[in-house]
Amino acid sequence: DIVMTQTPLSSPVTLGQPASISCRSSQSLVHSDGNTYLSWLQQRPGQPPRLLIYKISNRFSGVPDRFSGSGAGTDFTLKISRVEAEDVGVYYCTQATQFPWTFGQGTKVEIK
Amino acid sequence: QVQLQESGPGLVKPSQTLSLTCTVSGGSISSGSYYWSWIRQPAGKGLEWIGRIYTSGSTNYNPSLKSRVTISVDTSKNQFSLKLSSVTAADTAVYYCARFVIAAAVGEYYFDYWGQGTLVTVSS
Repeated sequence: DIVMTQTPLSSPVTLGQPASISCRSSQSLVHSDGNTYLSWLQQRPGQPPRLLIYKISNRFSGVPDRFSGSGAGTDFTLKISRVEAEDVGVYYCTQATQFPWTFGQGTKVEIK
Repeated sequence: QVQLQESGPGLVKPSQTLSLTCTVSGGSISSGSYYWSWIRQPAGKGLEWIGRIYTSGSTNYNPSLKSRVTISVDTSKNQFSLKLSSVTAADTAVYYCARFVIAAAVGEYYFDYWGQGTLVTVSS
């Protein structure tokens, strides 16, 4: 299985300041078709996960542009340019390049 | 707007079979290119992918659960279902159903819609 490792596990952030989450995979996430199926999910307290970013850097419909994704191969990053109160929650990276699909352990973003 | 809703018993006895159904509304489960998946989340922990099904009935399961899992689809009811046999306390979790987009032509694969989740507790 591909292991997804996120750092940090907790990120206290001041409102209006940036936040960054790293995700590293144990194997390259480049699929045989040349694409990299790495997504980012947000899970607000008491809510199901919600898609933010797919294929490394593509924002899903309705996702604010303060969220951005980058990376390649085995190293990926989610950035929030200016954290707002509604961004509090746990963020997961996930890969769909190889079975079984796997998730990172989650990074909790909270306000200082 | 597609919506998914999980349903089923919230309490299952050890060694019995957990059975859940996901009802899809706002769109046909047979239309488009999607996989229909189950994912679970133990309290305070991360997400674990259980398996997926295509409307043709083709399935893929997480090897860690494969011997105990069956996912099926009923297109006439716009539903798909999960059965997990021989459950133990370790299977206590919130179970989510989710839609996975397959857009091979543009290289897009991702979970786009999730149900609200249903808590299943395994206890005698």
